[in-house]
Formats: sequence, structure tokens, C-alpha cells
Amino acid sequence: QVTLKESGPALVKPTQTLTLTCTFSGFSLSTSAMCVSWIRQPPGKALEWLARIDWDDDKFYSTSLKTRLTISKDTSKNQVVLRMTNMDPVDTATYFCARTAYTFGPFDYWGQGTLVTVSS
Amino acid sequence: DIQMTQSPSSLSASVGDRVTITCRASQTIRTYLNWYQQKSGKAPKLLIYAASSLQSGVPSRFSGSGSGTDFTLTISSLQPEDSATYYCQQTYSTPQFTFGPGTTVNI
Repeated sequence: QVTLKESGPALVKPTQTLTLTCTFSGFSLSTSAMCVSWIRQPPGKALEWLARIDWDDDKFYSTSLKTRLTISKDTSKNQVVLRMTNMDPVDTATYFCARTAYTFGPFDYWGQGTLVTVSS
Repeated sequence: DIQMTQSPSSLSASVGDRVTITCRASQTIRTYLNWYQQKSGKAPKLLIYAASSLQSGVPSRFSGSGSGTDFTLTISSLQPEDSATYYCQQTYSTPQFTFGPGTTVNI
């Protein structure tokens, strides 16, 4: 059974760095073609893909946010970590992690999401 | 980056109606198009992948079609539990996995 769960602070202050962890089970990120992405959704708005890390440690970032994002993985812990610097109130959103089982594939399993509010 | 548009942005329909949602890509994405259903407060759920393949466990009233730049999601007989927002997503221009703006279905 594949599961993913996001964890991290519910509240961060402007200019701070956000660190989110996706802990997953039921698959391994050392398996060929497996990938984990981060996606966010501001309240009442659409989904926005942020970053992806692949089984071979390739990393990809949203064009508009790449200067602020860092994604990494700890295969032994079944975790993927996303760091986003210089947080702003417009970054208030629910952050999801999701699995892709092959390079061009869909996001077939999602975490429940974690709401992050940016406010002083 | 490839841009995705959806129409309509929202619709109201009755139980038993046939509903069609359209998704358009700004350039060809072949059949690298997925559809997700998101209910309020929940994570998105994969319905259709590769434009027309039904995800395991998804009711057969959901279907997808299209290729290139134009795609449709059809619900053949709308059910009360189908009230949700539906998003298309392209995975052709990896890894900029663009989502559409969503279509809200009210019943």
C-alpha cells in the first residue's frame, strides 16, 4: 500500500525558510523511474507544481520558483525534503507531495497535504 | 512553458446528466494528459491518465479522449458524489507538469 504524508510548520514568518518533509511507504525512491514531486495550492486556487526528484537523484524545479527551491531525498528514511527560501504571504498554501511511477506518468498517489500560512 | 486552459470554469448539472469538460494545451502534448478530481479539503485523485486510460478503481462513467492540444473529460451519468473540481495536467513537457485552472462541477 502506497502512502505519503507531508509534515512541517503550519506557520512561518515572512523572509523565513520553509522546510517540508514528505515521508512515504509502499515504494522505494531507489527503484528505477520512481519520482516524488511537490505541488501547492493556495486557498481557493489551482494546483501548482513546484519540484520533482527522481530515483537517480535528478532534480527539477518550477521555472518561476527555481531560485527559491531545493529538493532532496533520504532513500534510507523514505523521505523527500523541500526547502523554500524567502517565504512571503503569497506562499500561503496547502503543500502536497505526490508520487510518479515513471518519467512521463501521472501523480498516482498523493499525500493529504499540509497547510502552511505565512504571516508575521 | 506549456499553458493549459479548461472550459467551462464551472458548471451546474443534475444527477444523471452527461457532463463534458474541455482542456486545451498551448502546444501539442500528444496524449500526455491526465485528469484529477479534487473534493473540498482533500488531495486530488487521479481519474484518467494518458488522455484516455481509466485509473484502477475509478467508476466507468468517467472517460477521457483527445490528443495533441484538445482533450475532454466526460462523466456519462453524473452522480451526487461527483461534485468536485476537476483539473487537467500535462506531463509531456517534463518536468514542468502544468495543471489547468480547474472546472468546478456543482450538482
